[in-house]
Amino acid sequence: DIQMTQSPSSLSASVGDRVTITCQASQDISNYLAWYLQKPGKPPKLLIYDVSNLETGVPSRFSGSGSGTDFTFTISSLQPEDIATYYCQQYDNLPYTFGQGTKLDIK
Amino acid sequence: QVQLVESGGGLVKPGGSLRLSCAASGFSFSDYYMSWIRQAPGKGLEWVSYISSSASTIYYADSVKGRFTISRDNAKKSVYLQMNSLRVEDTAVYYCARPRFGMDVWGQGTTVTVS
Repeated sequence: DIQMTQSPSSLSASVGDRVTITCQASQDISNYLAWYLQKPGKPPKLLIYDVSNLETGVPSRFSGSGSGTDFTFTISSLQPEDIATYYCQQYDNLPYTFGQGTKLDIK
Repeated sequence: QVQLVESGGGLVKPGGSLRLSCAASGFSFSDYYMSWIRQAPGKGLEWVSYISSSASTIYYADSVKGRFTISRDNAKKSVYLQMNSLRVEDTAVYYCARPRFGMDVWGQGTTVTVS
């Protein structure tokens, strides 16, 4: 199975800050990487697919980059409604494994 | 609108069985693969199972292989997860999701408690 190592596991930032989360795959996953946001008691929501493509309706302050094994998720200017847990997921090989999550809160 | 609604969760004793259902609406269900993903209390997401549009390809996580069975009924626009020999560690919210580019549609989840 492909292991997805996400960091940091938690992060505090101020409104307006630039926030970055990284995800490293244990082997090359090409561009088959997605990022999700999950708020408590809710299902995950797809934000970005194929490394850098924004899902319809997702604000442009969210972005993704990377290739191969190393990927980055960025919020350019943190908003209060962005408080959530973020997950990466590879969908190159079954099982489609997730990172362990990054819990983001407001400083 | 595009929607997935899970049902069938509940409290069951170790060794027991449950059958989860996921009803789809708002899209051409028979054209899409479907997945089940679970989340134990306070934990991250764990991909569980996957079924192709025609049910010709099925895949399970090692943690559930031999105990869980995924199936679908395209006429009823539904996907199912039969869970047998349940263990305490199967306690989780179970989500069905549509794998497209990533999982683009998720249900609200159904809670399974094994105790």
